[in-house]
Amino acid sequence: GAGVSQSPSNKVTEKGKDVELRCDPISGHTALYWYRQSLGQGLEFLIYFQGNSAPDKSGLPSDRFSAERTGGSVSTLTIQRTQQEDSAVYLCASSLGLRVETQYFGPGTRLLVL
Amino acid sequence: AQTVTQSQPEMSVQEAETVTLSCTYDTSESNYYLFWYKQPPSRQMILVIRQEAYKQQNATENRFSVNFQKAAKSFSLKISDSQLGDTAMYFCAFIRPGAGSYQLTFGKGTKLSVIP
Repeated sequence: GAGVSQSPSNKVTEKGKDVELRCDPISGHTALYWYRQSLGQGLEFLIYFQGNSAPDKSGLPSDRFSAERTGGSVSTLTIQRTQQEDSAVYLCASSLGLRVETQYFGPGTRLLVL
Repeated sequence: AQTVTQSQPEMSVQEAETVTLSCTYDTSESNYYLFWYKQPPSRQMILVIRQEAYKQQNATENRFSVNFQKAAKSFSLKISDSQLGDTAMYFCAFIRPGAGSYQLTFGKGTKLSVIP
């Protein structure tokens, strides 16, 4: 079956612009995670969605970052007024949502802010 | 807060040989889960192996096995009969159930190169 997909694969933007990153989880997976992978900070948790519950936004680094998940499936991570320090690979993962089970990752979106 | 430490930024191994990657973690919890993920140049994170802390038996998956030392808070990965396709970044990761969102906490990673 299809895995987690993310788009775009790469994104180059200018400082101050807004960007949207998309994640399509595996069908039937109710849990969805966003992580950021950067040279300086390694892999960091950003946000978690589980079914209809309120998302866990505790990892979002600033109020410029937001995410939504429509219909319990596709998720969009939005970064407003991008800064150079936002340059990173943004990884999405999904899981069945039955507590601790394997998280399946997408190929990520590499964001470069000039 | 939980922390995961991988003390070897880079390692290399000859093809067909065995290599061990180190990982230590810090937690006050007794119930948790540990993982090794592999990230090849394609960027896709792939689960290699997982270990539940309440299980004393070390997990194995084909050529991959772990040495889980709960008292020492150590979780090393052994790769036997190394293959060129094992070249990748390897991340040790931790989940603490009951934290609400089951997010993974990752180490900084070890870059493994398999030399022909």
